[in-house]
Amino acid sequence: RKEVEQDPGPFNVPEGATVAFNCTYSNSASQSFFWYRQDCRKEPKLLMSVYSSGNEDGRFTAQLNRASQYISLLIRDSKLSDSATYLCLRGSQGNLIFGKGTKLSVKP
Amino acid sequence: DVKVTQSSRYLVKRTGEKVFLECVQDMDHENMFWYRQDPGLGLRLIYFSYDVKMKEKGDIPEGYSVSREKKERFSLILESASTNQTSMYLCASRSPVNTEAFFGQGTRLTVV
Repeated sequence: RKEVEQDPGPFNVPEGATVAFNCTYSNSASQSFFWYRQDCRKEPKLLMSVYSSGNEDGRFTAQLNRASQYISLLIRDSKLSDSATYLCLRGSQGNLIFGKGTKLSVKP
Repeated sequence: DVKVTQSSRYLVKRTGEKVFLECVQDMDHENMFWYRQDPGLGLRLIYFSYDVKMKEKGDIPEGYSVSREKKERFSLILESASTNQTSMYLCASRSPVNTEAFFGQGTRLTVV
């Protein structure tokens, strides 16, 4: 059951680059979406929720396209500290489905 | 501050042992989840519970069982540990209506 598909990566980018990740989903039942960040050997932590109208938090922009059934995360002006694995999460009534995660490495 | 606590950070068990992984949350959340995470496979749902004494199988329940006797505690049980259950186990909780999930710090289980 592949309900959430995510770019596998890895993405290796130089500092200052703009990078985008996508997740596609199936099943159009009522649901919510989130982006999580996971550092090596740590638990995932919420980066941002994804709203239908799109939302921005500093260098990070999240968007949801319900018609095409995908969500995206855009990181502008990448920093070394952005290196991590980024996971998309689809939440529906009672259940949570994660994408496999995309590894990002930002190089000097 | 929100807190999900897993009983152990690292655990080493022998094949055939019965293993209990405990998870406690202090946010009065109805929903709780157990995942395992393996390289290249991402987070895979083992079991979840949407209320006390309620449980649902996830994608990979074989070899596992769960217990939810109290709202704050969700236990994962490996009835007879096997080497292919060596993994990182993550517990999460959330309130039911389209909200974010909070994770415990993870338990790295090694079965030898």
